[in-house]
Amino acid sequence: DAGITQSPRHKVTETGTPVTLRCHQTENHRYMYWYRQDPGHGLRLIHYSYGVKDTDKGEVSDGYSVSRSKTEDFLLTLESATSSQTSVYFCAISELQGAGYNEQFFGPGTRLTVL
Amino acid sequence: EDQVTQSPEALRLQEGESSSLNCSYTVSGLRGLFWYRQDPGKGPEFLFTLYSAGEEKEKERLKATLTKKESFLHITAPKPEDSATYLCAVQEKGGSYIPTFGRGTSLIVHP
Repeated sequence: DAGITQSPRHKVTETGTPVTLRCHQTENHRYMYWYRQDPGHGLRLIHYSYGVKDTDKGEVSDGYSVSRSKTEDFLLTLESATSSQTSVYFCAISELQGAGYNEQFFGPGTRLTVL
Repeated sequence: EDQVTQSPEALRLQEGESSSLNCSYTVSGLRGLFWYRQDPGKGPEFLFTLYSAGEEKEKERLKATLTKKESFLHITAPKPEDSATYLCAVQEKGGSYIPTFGRGTSLIVHP
């Protein structure tokens, strides 16, 4: 298994509180991603990183920010959590293979509940 | 319109009853198509990459095939442990290097 851990694995918080999720990898992969997974929507990209301090927005980035100060860590922050951000969050990593094929490897997920 | 559509949404099979899952895509050029398996409460697990029409990949009871418009994941003589959600993702040639995921097919195999 790819060396990807996510913390915490479960979190319950209240509306309006800040929340930070951590993704840690031991594979030294360049690319890291944050997705959320909700019934009926599948996996949706929140933010991604293509190197240390290099990040960009995905399709559902509103209300989220990210930081990557080291190759191995990618943090996702909800500045002021809302109930609509209740979801399962997955981190993924990749290195572009050969002609640029992007095989991603996923962490175990964090289940976040915002009350 | 979704770029990646998986069907059916859910599939129930009896053990040993072979079937296929479908992933159709509408990107103009394909760089790669990826299949993943996801067990409840876990992250997606990478299965296969398909690069060009006509290609096939196999792993145990699973065989993935690719045409210019769709991919099939064939499951031969499934067992209950094959029960999972199967996700398909498509990486477009010349576009973003980030794949677009379908919504998945939930497979349940009854003993």
